[in-house]
Amino acid sequence: DADVTQTPRNRITKTGKRIMLECSQTKGHDRMYWYRQDPGLGLRLIYYSFDVKDINKGEISDGYSVSRQAQAKFSLSLESAIPNQTALYFCATSDLGTGGDEQFFGPGTRLTVL
Amino acid sequence: AQKITQTQPGMFVQEKEAVTLDCTYDTSDPSYGLFWYKQPSSGEMIFLIYQGSYDQQNATEGRYSLNFQKARKSANLVISASQLGDSAMYFCAMREGTGNQFYFGTGTSLTVIP
Repeated sequence: DADVTQTPRNRITKTGKRIMLECSQTKGHDRMYWYRQDPGLGLRLIYYSFDVKDINKGEISDGYSVSRQAQAKFSLSLESAIPNQTALYFCATSDLGTGGDEQFFGPGTRLTVL
Repeated sequence: AQKITQTQPGMFVQEKEAVTLDCTYDTSDPSYGLFWYKQPSSGEMIFLIYQGSYDQQNATEGRYSLNFQKARKSANLVISASQLGDSAMYFCAMREGTGNQFYFGTGTSLTVIP
């Protein structure tokens, strides 16, 4: 089973709809992140959380909100979706320890807002 | 200023040849980590290699090596003996300090030619 899972994998929605993207991990990591990827722009950080009580805005948090329901779960919500939120969304986890602290990514959610 | 700069939008390499993907970074924090990720057409993000700012030697992982030039703030990825399966997007990333945020470059698309 995958260590970091995202649901749904694909979603098409309409402008103005509320949508939630969910992320679960079995790696036991405290740190979780949400990114969006747009062609030519790489990955940009939306929100990150270092534990259940810690939520931080990233580079592009406007129009998004998050919830850290448990150490293993981190959800991203679009309160009122708009077309320029069409993108590939990634959840990631990391654990600052000895050596490298690379991020482990989920498979991504492809979101289309019509 | 961009934290991570990848100046090569696209690169081509002949199968079995070596290729270097460029990455420069910008930080004033003495402690940082540098990462390379591979994103094949299927979309997942695959961790390749890590270099810590205090590491004395260049990191290597199989056919991947990181040419770390601290004074020049560059962290180029070298892929030796390219294979067709190496065709993908490659992203350079940096973690500043103790891991508050990761910053990603815009990526380089590598195509391996048979």
